[in-house]
Amino acid sequence: SQQGEEDPQALSIQEGENATMNCSYKTSINNLQWYRQNSGRGLVHLILIRSNEREKHSGRLRVTLDTSKKSSSLLITASRAADTASYFCATAPYGNNRLAFGKGNQVVVIP
Amino acid sequence: KAGVTQTPRYLIKTRGQQVTLSCSPISGHRSVSWYQQTPGQGLQFLFEYFSETQRNKGNFPGRFSGRQFSNSRSEMNVSTLELGDSALYLCASSSSSGMSTDTQYFGPGTRLTVL
Repeated sequence: SQQGEEDPQALSIQEGENATMNCSYKTSINNLQWYRQNSGRGLVHLILIRSNEREKHSGRLRVTLDTSKKSSSLLITASRAADTASYFCATAPYGNNRLAFGKGNQVVVIP
Repeated sequence: KAGVTQTPRYLIKTRGQQVTLSCSPISGHRSVSWYQQTPGQGLQFLFEYFSETQRNKGNFPGRFSGRQFSNSRSEMNVSTLELGDSALYLCASSSSSGMSTDTQYFGPGTRLTVL
């Protein structure tokens, strides 16, 4: 089954810096979604990028998708302390809502 | 619109007991999915319901079951609890109809502890 997989790293950055996370997957997808989770709480949807899109922006977030390499990246610009969280990518196959999540990237933004 | 709500938020049970978790989707959403999150296995898909029918099922034993009501509210049940069932259980709703996929909106989760 397909699986979103982030680069398994913890990022520690200073406030104002940019943070980049990567995600790879194995099979064909309909879309790829990024979520944020604070301290074991629910997941907050950040952005969805469809398989026919290459780049998408939402506020300080920029997501890219390279279907030929089966990879995606999430860039958070001008980070804030409130961005401290775990970030997950999740892939959705064609034809159903079954999301496959990566293991998540923990980001710590130091004020 | 109100978001996805889950009750209870916290639950402590002992091995062998059973538990029922509840999820109310965003108004108008007919698809409800359940996920289990543990430190070891991460986020894993349990099942999805759409219009009161189970549409997809993950690789979990039969002790895990669910259902959806006509108002789209969903419940999941875990019988004969094991220590390994301790986890955060997340519910997500989506407006996806038919076999399309769309954004899933998650609730705050129910943290289940099995002693």
